[in-house]
Amino acid sequence: EPEVTQTPSHQVTQMGQEVILRCVPISNHLYFYWYRQILGQKVEFLVSFYNNEISEKSEIFDDQFSVERPDGSNFTLKIRSTKLEDSAMYFCASSRRGGRRETQYFGPGTRLLVL
Amino acid sequence: QKEVEQDPGPLSVPEGAIVSLNCTYSNSAFQYFMWYRQYSRKGPELLMYTYSSGNKEDGRFTAQVDKSSKYISLFIRDSQPSDSATYLCAMSTSNDYKLSFGAGTTVTVRA
Repeated sequence: EPEVTQTPSHQVTQMGQEVILRCVPISNHLYFYWYRQILGQKVEFLVSFYNNEISEKSEIFDDQFSVERPDGSNFTLKIRSTKLEDSAMYFCASSRRGGRRETQYFGPGTRLLVL
Repeated sequence: QKEVEQDPGPLSVPEGAIVSLNCTYSNSAFQYFMWYRQYSRKGPELLMYTYSSGNKEDGRFTAQVDKSSKYISLFIRDSQPSDSATYLCAMSTSNDYKLSFGAGTTVTVRA
C-alpha cells in the first residue's frame, strides 16, 4: 500500500540553525501539506501546496518557514533560523486532489528538537 | 472558546467494551468531519470520514455527526487491545484545505 515517507525520523539542531525536513508524498497525489504537533498539544496546520505554490497557510507559517518541491518526488519544509519553540513533531500529508472530501494521508513524522 | 474541543482522556476500558469518543466545535462552517487514529510515534491514520449529519458505520466503528449541536462522536464496539491508540477528531470547512484537529483522546483497551 502506498504511503507517505519522511526523513529524517529525528533531528536535533542548535537554535538559529537551518533545518530541512523531507517528505515523499504518495506518487499520484497532487496536494501536499505540513502539520506540526508540539508535545502534548494539538496537531496544527502549517501550509498546503499545489502546483508549485502555496494554496493556504496558517499564521504559524511565517517568514522563517518555506516549502519547496525540488523535484518530482520530494516535498520539503525549511526552517531558516530555528527557535526553541519550533521543537515539535512535523507531519507531511498528501491528497490525490484538493477537494474537501479528499482524504489526507499522513507520514510518520519527523521529531525536531531545537537546543 | 476553542475551535475544536475533544473530551480529554485517558480512557481505559476492558476488552470487548464500547468506547465512546466525542468532540464539539464552535465553527458552524465546518462541513467535513473525520476521525484519525494515531499510534505512538506514528502519523495520524484516517478511520472515518463523514459529511452530513447522521451515522456512518464501518465494521466496529460508528461515526455520528450532529451539526445542530455541533457535536461529533466515534463509537468503537467490541474493543480490542489493538484499538489502544490516540484518537483525533478533525474537521474542515468547504472553503479551505486545512484540517482543524482536536487535542486527542488516548484509549487503552485492557486484555
